[in-house]
Amino acid sequence: EAQVTQNPRYLITVTGKKLTVTCSQNMNHEYMSWYRQDPGLGLRQIYYSMNVEVTDKGDVPEGYKVSRKEKRNFPLILESPSPNQTSLYFCASSGTPTYEQYFGPGTRLTVT
Amino acid sequence: DQQVKQNSPSLSVQEGRISILNCDYTNSMFDYFLWYKKYPAEGPTFLISISSIKDKNEDGRFTVFLNKSAKHLSLHIVPSQPGDSAVYFCAASGGVGDYKLSFGAGTTVTVRA
Repeated sequence: EAQVTQNPRYLITVTGKKLTVTCSQNMNHEYMSWYRQDPGLGLRQIYYSMNVEVTDKGDVPEGYKVSRKEKRNFPLILESPSPNQTSLYFCASSGTPTYEQYFGPGTRLTVT
Repeated sequence: DQQVKQNSPSLSVQEGRISILNCDYTNSMFDYFLWYKKYPAEGPTFLISISSIKDKNEDGRFTVFLNKSAKHLSLHIVPSQPGDSAVYFCAASGGVGDYKLSFGAGTTVTVRA
C-alpha cells in the first residue's frame, strides 16, 4: 500500500529537549515536505526536499532542521523545542513538486 | 502574510444541496491550484486541481472554477453527501520551478441530513 508514515503520532516533551519526528514514504517520490498546521493559519511549509541531499526552507523554518540522506526518509529535527512549536505536523511526498502530494497521518507535538 | 485566503471558516449545507467553497489568492505568479480534504485525525488528501490555463475542471461531484483576473477560485460539490463533512484546504503553487505550496486556513464543511 502506497503511504507516508510518521512517528511518533503523539509526543509531549519539555522545552529544550531535542527530538526527531521521522517520516518515510514507499512510493519512490523525489519530493518531500514538512508542514505545520495551526488554528486559523492552515498548513505552513517548514522545509522541503527535491531529492537526496537537496533541501530548502519553506515559510516557517526557524527552529527546525531536516536531512535527506535516503530517498524514502525525511526526518524533522527540533534541536531545542519551545512552546511555540506546539502544533500538528504533517509530512508529505509527491512525484513532482507542484502536483498531488500524499500526506502522512500527522504528529501532534506538545512542548511544555 | 497569507497569500491564499479562505475567508469562510465554516459552511453548513443540507444533504443533496450544493456546497460552494471559495478561495482568494494574492500572488499573481501562482499558476496551479489544488483542493485538499481533511478528516479529523488524518492527513489531508488530494481532491482536485486546476492549472491556470483552464477555468474549470470537473471530477465527478467536484468542480473547481478559476477566475484568474479576480484571483479567485471556488470548489463546488454537487450533490453534497454526509461523507463530505470535513475541512477543505485550498492550495496554490507557482508551477514549474516553484516547489512550495501555499495553503489557505481551511473551511469546515458540515453536511446536515
